[in-house]
Amino acid sequence: QKEVEQNSGPLSVPEGAIASLNCTYSDRVSQSFFWYRQYSGKSPELIMSIYSNGDKEDGRFTAQLNKASQYVSLLIRDSQPSDSATYLCAVNGRGNKLVFGAGTILRVKS
Amino acid sequence: DTEVTQTPKHLVMGMTNKKSLKCEQHMGHRAMYWYKQKAKKPPELMFVYSYEKLSINESVPSRFSPECPNSSLLNLHLHALQPEDSALYLCASSQDLSEVAGANVLTFGAGSRLTVL
Repeated sequence: QKEVEQNSGPLSVPEGAIASLNCTYSDRVSQSFFWYRQYSGKSPELIMSIYSNGDKEDGRFTAQLNKASQYVSLLIRDSQPSDSATYLCAVNGRGNKLVFGAGTILRVKS
Repeated sequence: DTEVTQTPKHLVMGMTNKKSLKCEQHMGHRAMYWYKQKAKKPPELMFVYSYEKLSINESVPSRFSPECPNSSLLNLHLHALQPEDSALYLCASSQDLSEVAGANVLTFGAGSRLTVL
């Protein structure tokens, strides 16, 4: 079992729709969870961080964490073509190592 | 200043060359990282420095040699690389390595794209 698992996609959504990105992790001791956005040829950019169970909202983005189910998600409301990118789920595990999932490719069609 | 600056942006080198990648941050961060990213793959951790001391080495081959001259600078010395080492090398920094909310948030530089011929 991979430490951090994501569906590679691509996930295609129409402009204005809600995009839902999911991530599961294997290490129950993980305490810090992150979503990074990466455009092709560019470096990862932090979108959201979440540390406790529940929802955290920032503009059009909502991160959801369920530690019991070892599940993290990212919702993007009113998706825009500029949101088209690879979204990387990252989890801080043992030894303070940040482990990335393989990433989900999101395509927003106008 | 919230940037991590990496130089050079692009580097082409032969297998017998010696070169270095450089990274600089002025955010007062005390943890600095090197990641390697191949095309269509996630970043892979190589090294972590905490308070200028090597904290994590992910069994990286010795042809990669990290150096942290001071709290703002991180270098990656390259020698006798192989073509399969061609990748995007990402430097990142965080406040420190603690689990305190926000302290371990990574800020990435733009990366150095390395091609080994």
